[in-house]
Amino acid sequence: SQKIEQNSEALNIQEGKTATLTCNYTNYSPAYLQWYRQDPGRGPVFLLLIRENEKEKRKERLKVTFDTTLKQSLFHITASQPADSATYLCALAGMDSSYKLIFGSGTRLLVRP
Amino acid sequence: GAVVSQHPSRVICKSGTSVKIECRSLDFQATTMFWYRQFPKKSLMLMATSNEGSKATYEQGVEKDKFLINHASLTLSTLTVTSAHPEDSSFYICSASVEGSYNSPLHFGNGTRLTVT
Repeated sequence: SQKIEQNSEALNIQEGKTATLTCNYTNYSPAYLQWYRQDPGRGPVFLLLIRENEKEKRKERLKVTFDTTLKQSLFHITASQPADSATYLCALAGMDSSYKLIFGSGTRLLVRP
Repeated sequence: GAVVSQHPSRVICKSGTSVKIECRSLDFQATTMFWYRQFPKKSLMLMATSNEGSKATYEQGVEKDKFLINHASLTLSTLTVTSAHPEDSSFYICSASVEGSYNSPLHFGNGTRLTVT
């Protein structure tokens, strides 16, 4: 069955360092992958989308990589700030390539001042 | 732009009653909206796909008679939890895509925290 795995343990880093979050998937051949940020008690907010033919995508301090051979995406936040503290979710389109997005369980990031 | 408004943000109801949750796209039209459910520290679980002018498509294991979805206009979808029970207590979130294509980002409402006593 389709599976998306994100590290369930919180990532705790010092302000200014680079945070790296991992998203692994199995039994998928997604055409694209998305990353979202979710704050407690709020809906997710879209951050970045990367397509299967793109190795890397950047937006300001954010960088996403997509390795379809390893079936893995890495999400980086450089020069992290306490305001970056949140849960980060990766999402893939379902195998039927419909509009549906299937989400990973998310990784909580804590940036210490 | 691309704002999705969800109402109410919190609701407490008694077991056996029904609760309606509204999801509106404020500055765009959404032929398709999605309803998710989220348990504490868990992932968003897709419940159903709401299609304007037609019946919703429910995910496996989701009772369509329990979770009634109506998408009567291009800017409004509603989810009604009928005969709610404590196990229905959860965080319900709706979303929509501006572009309407399968690889476009989703814009989410801020969710509804339902507590059934």
